[in-house]
Amino acid sequence: GENVEQHPSTLSVQEGDSAVIKCTYSDSASNYFPWYKQELGKRPQLIIDIRSNVGEKKDQRIAVTLNKTAKHFSLHITETQPEDSAVYFCAASPNTNAGKSTFGDGTTLTVKP
Amino acid sequence: DAGVIQSPRHEVTEMGQEVTLRCKPISGHNSLFWYRQTMMRGLELLIYFNNNVPIDDSGMPEDRFSAKMPNASFSTLKIQPSEPRDSAVYFCASSKGQGNTGELFFGEGSRLTVL
Repeated sequence: GENVEQHPSTLSVQEGDSAVIKCTYSDSASNYFPWYKQELGKRPQLIIDIRSNVGEKKDQRIAVTLNKTAKHFSLHITETQPEDSAVYFCAASPNTNAGKSTFGDGTTLTVKP
Repeated sequence: DAGVIQSPRHEVTEMGQEVTLRCKPISGHNSLFWYRQTMMRGLELLIYFNNNVPIDDSGMPEDRFSAKMPNASFSTLKIQPSEPRDSAVYFCASSKGQGNTGELFFGEGSRLTVL
Protein backbone atom coordinates (compact mmCIF):
# COMPACT_ATOMS: atom_id res chain seq x y z
CA GLY A 1 0.00 0.00 0.00
CA GLU A 2 0.85 3.67 -0.04
CA ASN A 3 3.41 5.05 2.39
CA VAL A 4 3.64 8.80 2.96
CA GLU A 5 6.55 10.31 4.84
CA GLN A 6 6.45 13.91 6.03
CA HIS A 7 9.28 16.15 7.22
CA PRO A 8 10.00 17.89 9.45
CA SER A 9 7.83 16.77 12.35
CA THR A 10 8.18 20.18 13.99
CA LEU A 11 9.03 23.55 12.49
CA SER A 12 9.46 26.87 14.22
CA VAL A 13 9.80 30.12 12.26
CA GLN A 14 9.70 33.83 12.94
CA GLU A 15 6.68 35.76 11.79
CA GLY A 16 7.22 36.89 8.22
CA ASP A 17 9.59 34.08 7.33
CA SER A 18 8.74 31.25 4.95
CA ALA A 19 7.95 27.66 5.96
CA VAL A 20 8.42 24.58 3.82
CA ILE A 21 7.05 21.11 4.58
CA LYS A 22 8.00 18.14 2.43
CA CYS A 23 6.34 14.80 1.77
CA THR A 24 7.30 11.73 -0.17
CA TYR A 25 5.04 8.92 -1.31
CA SER A 26 5.63 5.42 -2.58
CA ASP A 27 2.72 4.46 -4.83
CA SER A 28 3.09 5.72 -8.40
CA ALA A 29 -0.68 5.30 -8.81
CA SER A 30 -1.30 8.20 -6.44
CA ASN A 31 -2.27 11.34 -8.24
CA TYR A 32 -4.18 13.48 -5.77
CA PHE A 33 -2.24 15.29 -3.04
CA PRO A 34 -4.17 17.39 -0.53
CA TRP A 35 -2.84 19.36 2.42
CA TYR A 36 -4.88 19.74 5.59
CA LYS A 37 -4.42 22.18 8.45
CA GLN A 38 -5.48 21.19 11.95
CA GLU A 39 -5.55 23.81 14.67
CA LEU A 40 -5.31 22.67 18.25
CA GLY A 41 -8.45 20.80 19.28
CA LYS A 42 -10.10 21.33 15.89
CA ARG A 43 -10.85 19.26 12.83
CA PRO A 44 -8.47 18.94 9.86
CA GLN A 45 -9.45 21.30 7.03
CA LEU A 46 -8.26 21.32 3.45
CA ILE A 47 -6.08 24.30 2.61
CA ILE A 48 -4.81 23.37 -0.84
CA ASP A 49 -4.56 20.35 -3.11
CA ILE A 50 -2.81 19.39 -6.31
CA ARG A 51 -3.38 16.75 -8.92
CA SER A 52 -0.69 14.95 -10.82
CA ASN A 53 -1.26 16.76 -14.10
CA VAL A 54 -0.12 19.99 -12.44
CA GLY A 55 3.38 20.78 -11.16
CA GLU A 56 2.56 23.76 -8.98
CA LYS A 57 -0.46 25.48 -7.52
CA LYS A 58 -0.68 28.72 -5.61
CA ASP A 59 -3.31 30.32 -3.41
CA GLN A 60 -2.26 33.63 -1.91
CA ARG A 61 0.51 32.86 0.62
CA ILE A 62 0.30 29.10 0.15
CA ALA A 63 1.79 27.08 -2.69
CA VAL A 64 2.25 23.39 -3.35
CA THR A 65 4.72 21.81 -5.74
CA LEU A 66 4.73 18.26 -7.06
CA ASN A 67 7.50 16.19 -8.59
CA LYS A 68 5.93 12.96 -9.82
CA THR A 69 9.21 11.53 -11.05
CA ALA A 70 10.77 11.83 -7.62
CA LYS A 71 7.48 11.12 -5.86
CA HIS A 72 7.60 14.13 -3.61
CA PHE A 73 5.50 17.20 -2.99
CA SER A 74 5.93 20.23 -0.79
CA LEU A 75 3.90 22.92 0.93
CA HIS A 76 5.28 26.45 0.96
CA ILE A 77 3.89 29.16 3.21
CA THR A 78 5.26 32.66 2.69
CA GLU A 79 5.03 35.67 5.02
CA THR A 80 3.99 33.44 7.89
CA GLN A 81 1.65 34.79 10.55
CA PRO A 82 0.95 33.54 14.10
CA GLU A 83 -2.42 32.22 12.92
CA ASP A 84 -0.56 29.84 10.60
CA SER A 85 0.52 27.93 13.72
CA ALA A 86 -1.09 24.49 13.48
CA VAL A 87 -0.42 20.89 12.50
CA TYR A 88 -0.20 20.37 8.75
CA PHE A 89 -0.87 17.00 7.14
CA CYS A 90 -0.06 15.93 3.63
CA ALA A 91 -1.88 13.05 2.00
CA ALA A 92 -1.77 10.98 -1.16
CA SER A 93 -4.53 9.03 -2.85
CA PRO A 94 -5.02 7.13 -6.08
CA ASN A 95 -7.12 8.61 -8.87
CA THR A 96 -10.17 6.51 -8.30
CA ASN A 97 -10.34 6.60 -4.59
CA ALA A 98 -9.95 9.57 -2.30
CA GLY A 99 -11.20 7.26 0.39
CA LYS A 100 -7.83 5.62 0.33
CA SER A 101 -6.04 8.83 1.23
CA THR A 102 -2.91 7.99 3.21
CA PHE A 103 -1.85 10.76 5.54
CA GLY A 104 1.63 11.79 6.61
CA ASP A 105 2.38 12.00 10.32
CA GLY A 106 1.94 15.76 10.42
CA THR A 107 4.17 18.79 10.95
CA THR A 108 3.65 21.07 13.93
CA LEU A 109 4.33 24.59 12.71
CA THR A 110 4.91 27.34 15.25
CA VAL A 111 5.13 30.92 14.06
CA LYS A 112 6.70 33.17 16.67
CA PRO A 113 5.54 36.79 16.73
CA ASP B 1 -25.13 23.23 5.67
CA ALA B 2 -24.06 22.46 9.24
CA GLY B 3 -21.19 20.32 8.07
CA VAL B 4 -20.42 16.81 9.28
CA ILE B 5 -21.99 16.28 12.68
CA GLN B 6 -20.55 13.85 15.19
CA SER B 7 -21.72 12.76 18.60
CA PRO B 8 -20.77 12.51 21.33
CA ARG B 9 -17.97 15.06 21.34
CA HIS B 10 -16.45 13.47 24.42
CA GLU B 11 -16.91 10.01 25.88
CA VAL B 12 -15.31 8.59 28.96
CA THR B 13 -16.00 4.93 29.66
CA GLU B 14 -14.56 1.97 31.46
CA MET B 15 -12.78 -0.92 29.87
CA GLY B 16 -15.19 -3.55 28.64
CA GLN B 17 -18.06 -1.17 27.97
CA GLU B 18 -19.65 -0.73 24.58
CA VAL B 19 -19.05 2.57 22.81
CA THR B 20 -21.12 3.90 19.92
CA LEU B 21 -20.03 6.93 17.94
CA ARG B 22 -22.40 8.61 15.54
CA CYS B 23 -22.00 10.63 12.38
CA LYS B 24 -24.24 12.61 10.06
CA PRO B 25 -22.50 13.42 6.77
CA ILE B 26 -23.08 16.52 4.68
CA SER B 27 -26.27 16.20 2.67
CA GLY B 28 -25.53 15.15 -0.89
CA HIS B 29 -22.17 13.59 -0.05
CA ASN B 30 -22.18 9.90 -0.84
CA SER B 31 -18.82 8.88 0.57
CA LEU B 32 -18.26 8.59 4.32
CA PHE B 33 -15.06 7.83 6.16
CA TRP B 34 -14.11 6.98 9.73
CA TYR B 35 -10.62 7.99 10.86
CA ARG B 36 -8.85 7.55 14.17
CA GLN B 37 -6.23 10.02 15.37
CA THR B 38 -3.63 9.30 18.04
CA MET B 39 -0.26 10.81 18.82
CA MET B 40 1.47 7.53 18.13
CA ARG B 41 -0.23 6.53 14.88
CA GLY B 42 -1.45 9.81 13.42
CA LEU B 43 -4.56 9.80 11.23
CA GLU B 44 -5.61 6.27 10.30
CA LEU B 45 -8.44 5.38 7.95
CA LEU B 46 -10.60 2.74 9.60
CA ILE B 47 -13.37 2.21 7.06
CA TYR B 48 -15.19 4.02 4.30
CA PHE B 49 -18.56 3.76 2.60
CA ASN B 50 -19.78 4.69 -0.86
CA ASN B 51 -23.55 5.07 -1.21
CA ASN B 52 -23.98 3.44 2.22
CA VAL B 53 -22.01 0.34 1.19
CA PRO B 54 -18.77 -0.49 3.05
CA ILE B 55 -15.99 -0.48 0.48
CA ASP B 56 -12.84 -1.01 2.49
CA ASP B 57 -12.64 -1.96 6.14
CA SER B 58 -9.02 -3.09 6.09
CA GLY B 59 -8.14 -0.37 8.57
CA MET B 60 -10.49 -1.63 11.25
CA PRO B 61 -8.19 -2.79 14.05
CA GLU B 62 -9.99 -5.96 15.03
CA ASP B 63 -13.35 -7.62 15.46
CA ARG B 64 -14.19 -5.41 18.40
CA PHE B 65 -14.77 -2.60 15.91
CA SER B 66 -17.78 -2.46 13.62
CA ALA B 67 -19.35 0.25 11.49
CA LYS B 68 -22.70 0.63 9.81
CA MET B 69 -24.37 3.07 7.50
CA PRO B 70 -28.09 2.25 7.40
CA ASN B 71 -28.93 5.27 5.26
CA ALA B 72 -27.32 8.20 3.48
CA SER B 73 -27.55 10.48 6.50
CA PHE B 74 -26.31 8.34 9.36
CA SER B 75 -23.39 6.12 10.30
CA THR B 76 -22.18 4.51 13.51
CA LEU B 77 -18.85 3.19 14.70
CA LYS B 78 -19.12 0.72 17.53
CA ILE B 79 -16.44 -0.67 19.81
CA GLN B 80 -17.38 -3.67 21.90
CA PRO B 81 -15.74 -4.34 24.29
CA SER B 82 -13.66 -1.18 24.59
CA GLU B 83 -10.05 -1.22 25.78
CA PRO B 84 -7.74 1.57 27.03
CA ARG B 85 -5.73 1.41 23.79
CA ASP B 86 -8.85 2.50 21.91
CA SER B 87 -8.54 5.94 23.48
CA ALA B 88 -8.25 8.40 20.60
CA VAL B 89 -10.10 11.06 18.66
CA TYR B 90 -12.39 9.49 16.10
CA PHE B 91 -13.20 11.63 13.08
CA CYS B 92 -15.95 11.09 10.60
CA ALA B 93 -15.53 12.73 7.18
CA SER B 94 -17.60 12.90 4.03
CA SER B 95 -16.94 13.79 0.42
CA LYS B 96 -18.81 14.12 -2.84
CA GLY B 97 -18.72 11.50 -5.55
CA GLN B 98 -18.03 7.83 -5.59
CA GLY B 99 -14.96 8.10 -3.40
CA ASN B 100 -13.21 9.95 -6.19
CA THR B 101 -10.46 12.43 -5.51
CA GLY B 102 -11.78 15.42 -3.69
CA GLU B 103 -11.90 17.29 -0.42
CA LEU B 104 -12.64 15.44 2.78
CA PHE B 105 -14.94 17.37 5.11
CA PHE B 106 -14.23 16.33 8.69
CA GLY B 107 -16.53 16.49 11.67
CA GLU B 108 -15.39 17.94 14.98
CA GLY B 109 -14.38 14.51 16.20
CA SER B 110 -15.35 12.32 19.14
CA ARG B 111 -12.72 12.16 21.86
CA LEU B 112 -12.86 8.73 23.48
CA THR B 113 -11.18 7.91 26.76
CA VAL B 114 -11.30 4.31 27.95
CA LEU B 115 -10.22 3.89 31.56
